[in-house]
Amino acid sequence: EAGVAQSPRYKIIEKRQSVAFWCNPISGHATLYWYQQILGQGPKLLIQFQNNGVVDDSQLPKDRFSAERLKGVDSTLKIQPAKLEDSAVYLCASSLEPGSPLHFGNGTRLTVT
Amino acid sequence: DAKTTQPNSMESNEEEPVHLPCNHSTISGTDYIHWYRQLPSQGPEYVIHGLTSNVNNRMASLAIAEDRKSSTLILHRATLRDAAVYYCILRAPNNNDMRFGAGTRLTVKP
Repeated sequence: EAGVAQSPRYKIIEKRQSVAFWCNPISGHATLYWYQQILGQGPKLLIQFQNNGVVDDSQLPKDRFSAERLKGVDSTLKIQPAKLEDSAVYLCASSLEPGSPLHFGNGTRLTVT
Repeated sequence: DAKTTQPNSMESNEEEPVHLPCNHSTISGTDYIHWYRQLPSQGPEYVIHGLTSNVNNRMASLAIAEDRKSSTLILHRATLRDAAVYYCILRAPNNNDMRFGAGTRLTVKP
């Protein structure tokens, strides 16, 4: 089966600019996650979708971050405006059903200058 | 959320077994113990999970203490490709929540 697809692979922007990341989960996977991984740390959950509904966004900085899952399939994560501390790898993951293992994409590495 | 404690780093020699420990003294009776690993420049990948009994799959074995307050991930013969950060995570059965700690960085020496 095809894995979780993410794009772009790399992105460099200046602070206060906007950026968007795209994720296509494994076909049939109902649950989709976005994680932020700062260098040297473990991934931090930002938001979790079940189909096209938000299950948990308690750690999403909602003043600048937003996410949506279109028709319960693809998802986009947006940062507007970006800050220097947003420099990180943004990982998307999906799982077939509650409790099943997560499948991760290879992430988008964001550098904010 | 129940937390896990892992050593920051471990070293192993190639083709030798590796035992990666994880302490989770506040684990609840229904929490599953999950292990993921992250190779350089890749997203994490699932390794194994268990509840009470020891588990084996093609990648590794998971040994769970009788009181469930600790567990050990066992790689039977480490290869250079096993060099990665290994994460031990507790997960409630009806909860999709997956919260990662800092993990253990495993270095495999030839």
